[in-house]
Amino acid sequence: AQSVAQPEDQVNVAEGNPLTVKCTYSVSGNPYLFWYVQYPNRGLQFLLKYITGDNLVKGSYGFEAEFNKSQTSFHLKKPSALVSDSALYFCAVRASSLTGGGNKLTFGTGTQLKVEL
Amino acid sequence: DTAVSQTPKYLVTQMGNDKSIKCEQNLGHDTMYWYKQDSKKFLKIMFSYNNKELIINETVPNRFSPKSPDKAHLNLHINSLELGDSAVYFCASSRSEQYFGPGTRLTVT
Repeated sequence: AQSVAQPEDQVNVAEGNPLTVKCTYSVSGNPYLFWYVQYPNRGLQFLLKYITGDNLVKGSYGFEAEFNKSQTSFHLKKPSALVSDSALYFCAVRASSLTGGGNKLTFGTGTQLKVEL
Repeated sequence: DTAVSQTPKYLVTQMGNDKSIKCEQNLGHDTMYWYKQDSKKFLKIMFSYNNKELIINETVPNRFSPKSPDKAHLNLHINSLELGDSAVYFCASSRSEQYFGPGTRLTVT
């Protein structure tokens, strides 16, 4: 069974500082990894994904994530946080093989990011 | 243009009633999903359809029945609503990454 762990319920960071939101995963075979953001009373918005290739993936709004196969991690990062980045962030994983879970995407429990002035 | 739309946005109803939530996507995707997000923001997949065929059916009460009249639509019908059904329900569609609708906040009283 595939799973995602987001160990921090909340991350607080000052505006202008770098931010990291942690994610580790478990899946059979090669993973497809995703980050989504949810603003209050809104649906989830896609930020970035890792399918194959470079371990460092760049996405929307200046976010990036680093795939680390040996540590089974896919941490979300941004060099300089903005107050407007404050939101709920979800990491998600699915198996690359259709026999390993098909299109089923498993989400982490979410990490609330709070960026303060 | 809205990519994935859901109606209604809010739904307040009494226990025992039957209600439906509609979802439409104009992205040309073959796969659509229904998710439930509870009060703690946990997001759990309920169903997935690929080209009108059910491919994922998680452990969901039989009172929940998805219907896909065509690959651009995936509706969710809920019979005999219970208090525990109160949640936000999200529709999504995908080719690779998933695109989510704005959600339907269901409140059962």
